[in-house]
This record gives sequence, C-alpha cells and structure tokens, in this order.
Amino acid sequence: AQKVTQAQTEISVVEKEDVTLDCVYETRDTTYYLFWYKQPPSGELVFLIRRNSFDEQNEISGRYSWNFQKSTSSFNFTITASQVVDSAVYFCAPGPGDYKLSFGAGTTVTVRA
Amino acid sequence: DTEVTQTPKHLVMGMTNKKSLKCEQHMGHRAMYWYKQKAKKPPELMFVYSYEKLSINESVPSRFSPECPNSSLLNLHLHALQPEDSALYLCASSLGGDIYEQYFGPGTRLTVT
Repeated sequence: AQKVTQAQTEISVVEKEDVTLDCVYETRDTTYYLFWYKQPPSGELVFLIRRNSFDEQNEISGRYSWNFQKSTSSFNFTITASQVVDSAVYFCAPGPGDYKLSFGAGTTVTVRA
Repeated sequence: DTEVTQTPKHLVMGMTNKKSLKCEQHMGHRAMYWYKQKAKKPPELMFVYSYEKLSINESVPSRFSPECPNSSLLNLHLHALQPEDSALYLCASSLGGDIYEQYFGPGTRLTVT
C-alpha cells in the first residue's frame, strides 16, 4: 500500500511569487508511479504529471517543475511566477499496484493579485 | 479529446428517492472509476471497472450500485441514501493499467435531504 504526506495544508502567496509544494511518500514497491493533480474551485481534478520510480530526472513544463528524489522519498512541485489561476488544491498521489490512487490530503494554494 | 462528461452537475434527492449519475468518455479508455469527495478532503475511491467488469469495490454500502453498460459509459445508481452521502461524486477513466493517469469529469454535486 502507498501512503503520502502533504505536510502543507495551505499556502498563500502574492502573484509572481514562486511556491513549492512538498510531497513525501511511503511504499514497499520497487516499481511505482507518482502523480500530481490540481483541483481548481470548479471541482474538476486535472492531471498534471506522472513519474515512474525509474526516472529521477526533474521535469519542467512551462511554469511548473517537479523534483523527484528517491533517496528522500519526495516528489515536490514548484510553481514559478504564480498567477491567480494557479489557485487550487493540489494533490500528490503515489501510484497504485491495484488501480488505486492514494491521494494525499492536498495543499490549498491561494494566489493573491 | 481528454474529456470525461458527467450528468447531472447538481442533484438534490430525498432519502427515499432513486436516482442515477452518469459518466461518459470517448477516449477508448478501458478502466473507469467512481470517487466520492467530501468538502476539504481528498477523493475516496468507491468502484473500479476494468474492461467493463467490476474489479474493485471499496466496501461501499449497497445503496450505491455501479453499472458499466459498455466501455464508454459508467452509471452510479442511488437508492435510499443518507444525508451523510452528500458529496461531490467524481468519475474518472484511464487507459486501463494502474500505471496510467486518470482523467476526471467535472463531478456531480449531490445533496441528500
């Protein structure tokens, strides 16, 4: 079974600030996947990224970047130059072995203009 | 097209009513999911259909009854619900294996009176 900890409950920043969301996971599997999802106020969960345990390369997609460190079991997410539209709840979810996404508690990001 | 549609968007029902939630995807995905999400909580998995067969039932009460008429459609039949069942019900789909990301619909906000 997978377990994930998102220690930050809420983060509030001013527009254009960078914000980093922490995700620490636990797993006994040697092969696993990690996901990040975004849930804006509208409610729809939006898939952001999938990373497998064999690929520790950091990834950048526009203003989003992810830092995967197997040694510390962390898969952190950074939003650079935040915008008001980034305001949402962000969930880290360690990948399943049985279709189950083990969502973390989520971090609510509020970006103020 | 990475769209999952859900109807209705909102539903108010009494405890003696019978209603159904509907979900549809045309991405050729072979796994479909129902989640329940309470306010300020992460989604909780209810059911998983894989290749139109129920593969996971997370000990959900029998007043919730899933149905997968074909690979594109997923229904959730509701009967004799309780007020505590009020929540956002999310449908998702994925390519089929547990390594793949899930795509979510906008959800149905259910209120049981």
